[in-house]
This record gives sequence, C-alpha cells and structure tokens, in this order.
Amino acid sequence: GAVVSQHPSRVICKSGTSVKIECRSLDFQATTMFWYRQFPKKSLMLMATSNEGSKATYEQGVEKDKFLINHASLTLSTLTVTSAHPEDSSFYICSVTDSRNEKLFFGSGTQLSVL
Amino acid sequence: AQSVTQLGSHVSVSEGALVLLRCNYSSSVPPYLFWYVQYPNQGLQLLLKYTTGATLVKGINGFEAEFKKSETSFHLTKPSAHMSDAAEYFCAVSPPGTYKYIFGTGTRLKVLA
Repeated sequence: GAVVSQHPSRVICKSGTSVKIECRSLDFQATTMFWYRQFPKKSLMLMATSNEGSKATYEQGVEKDKFLINHASLTLSTLTVTSAHPEDSSFYICSVTDSRNEKLFFGSGTQLSVL
Repeated sequence: AQSVTQLGSHVSVSEGALVLLRCNYSSSVPPYLFWYVQYPNQGLQLLLKYTTGATLVKGINGFEAEFKKSETSFHLTKPSAHMSDAAEYFCAVSPPGTYKYIFGTGTRLKVLA
C-alpha cells in the first residue's frame, strides 16, 4: 500500500490565490520530508527539505516566501504556494525517506495549474 | 558535488527485446544509487537501489542494475521488454548520511509492438 499520501492530485486556481498541498507519511514517523518540483519533460528539482518542528531548508533559487512549508507533526507536511502565478504551474511531489536514508518514498504528486 | 547523467532522453525497444537505460554519476564518495519509474501523472516508484554489498541488484518487474565503480555507472537492464514497461525512468544518487537525492533528467522508454 501507499506509504505517502499527497492531496490534492490536481488543482486549478486563479492567479493571485494561494494553494495548499498536503503530504502525509502513512507508515512511519518522518522527521524529514522533501518537496520536489517537476517541469514538463524535465527531472525533479528539490525545492526544500521540511523539518518537523523547525524551519524548512530551501534550495538555492527557491523563494521561501512564495513556497511556504509547514511540518507541524511527524506525519504531515504542507506546501503552500502563495499568490500563485501561471509560472508556478507545475507538478509538485513530496517524498519521505526511511530512517536509514536508504529509500525515498514519493507521493502521487499534485498537478497545479494557475490560470 | 554530485551529479547524474542519463544518456538518451528517449529509448525505443521492441516488445521482447533487451532494455538498457544508461546512468553515470559523479560523486566524491560512493553514493547510494537508485532507479525510479514514473507513469503519467503519478509519483515515482522505486525500482531498485544499491547501498552496499553485491554490485548487481535486482528490482521489481524483472529489472536489474549493476554498480560499476570503475565506470561510475549504474545502468538499468531488463532482458525482455513488456508493453507495460513504457514509462519515464529516473536514476538518482544520494550521498550516504545525507537526505539529499539528485535525479537525472530521465529517460522515456517506449515499447513497440
């Protein structure tokens, strides 16, 4: 069964609105979760590392005020795309690593379309 | 810094033919190595991984990969392609002790009837 649950799977929103994406670890407590962004026909780009109980660590070039990450519990991390614009349209995927960092489990992804 | 190179963004094979997807990496220390498969509009599913031990690793759906340190390669193979293997395949590396994964740009596998 699924190890990581990600919702919603698809969202369409108007420019200027904010969108929240949830990522839940179902099988184990995850102190660390990851958020990736995938452009069409491109690889996955790590956006940020979500740390339970502390601030997220953002990769270079990722706007932390645009992409708000909250990891309030050991099983839930949320990514909020604030004031979304068409260029934010993309496929966003969360992931969780097992305790030994030997496996990365992915959510099913969220296709965000900003009109 | 680590990096991953996947040669060939598109690979086409006939059903029943050998599948070979290439992956080379660059890393200052022997990394953990992974192959993931992605079907349209879905997340990624782990096919196989190498951490330590035997360099030939077997994964799901009949896939296997061999870690060759001297060639810094981790090519993915399957003896006989099936139509259901058509998907996007990603090679990834992760330095041991870190949580960071670096992905290649992916190879789209097409299986011809």
